[in-house]
Amino acid sequence: NAGVTQTPKFRVLKTGQSMTLLCAQDMNHEYMYWYRQDPGMGLRLIHYSVGEGTTAKGEVPDGYNVSRLKKQNFLLGLESAAPSQTSVYFCASSYGAGLRGMNYEQYFGPGTRLTVT
Amino acid sequence: AQSVAQPEDQVNVAEGNPLTVKCTYSVSGNPYLFWYVQYPNRGLQFLLKYITGDNLVKGSYGFEAEFNKSQTSFHLKKPSALVSDSALYFCAVRGEDNYGQNFVFGPGTRLSVLP
Repeated sequence: NAGVTQTPKFRVLKTGQSMTLLCAQDMNHEYMYWYRQDPGMGLRLIHYSVGEGTTAKGEVPDGYNVSRLKKQNFLLGLESAAPSQTSVYFCASSYGAGLRGMNYEQYFGPGTRLTVT
Repeated sequence: AQSVAQPEDQVNVAEGNPLTVKCTYSVSGNPYLFWYVQYPNRGLQFLLKYITGDNLVKGSYGFEAEFNKSQTSFHLKKPSALVSDSALYFCAVRGEDNYGQNFVFGPGTRLSVLP
């Protein structure tokens, strides 16, 4: 099993450009998450999904959109990139059914390092 | 609101000595607590969790953590540190009453084990 994979690994964007980050998991997990990691701030949740076709906002959703058309994929979109979105982005997934499913550990991808100039 | 504090940005310990990485939390209701480790240029890896039951939880790579409800703490420990334990460690928490809320991660503690 590949676990959680993310593409691309690195990307440099100019301000105003758009891009989509792809996350895929092969563990049949219901829950998927997108985080950003900034120095000294830990991980902050951008958006998450508790099942195919559903998404919800996390702590820092502004400037991002997501879609979960297939259970195994979770896409993160930046419509108009800004320098403040320079960060490392992590996707994660976890087993779960219903709200108690949030008590299961998360499996993380290797990350995408995004620089916006 | 949920919150997690990791009071030390950096912990240095000599190889073979015991190590402790501290975590305190604030949640509504009983807490669900996790520790993750991040090696350079990698994603986070799950170490251990406390949901209910025994206050001493054992996890991967010889790590353990002790849940202390009165002190609202969940410190990560290992009896004998290895150089390969050097990494960034994150504590995460969610409150039992916070249905619909996700985990909050602490800012991380960098552990350096010196040979």
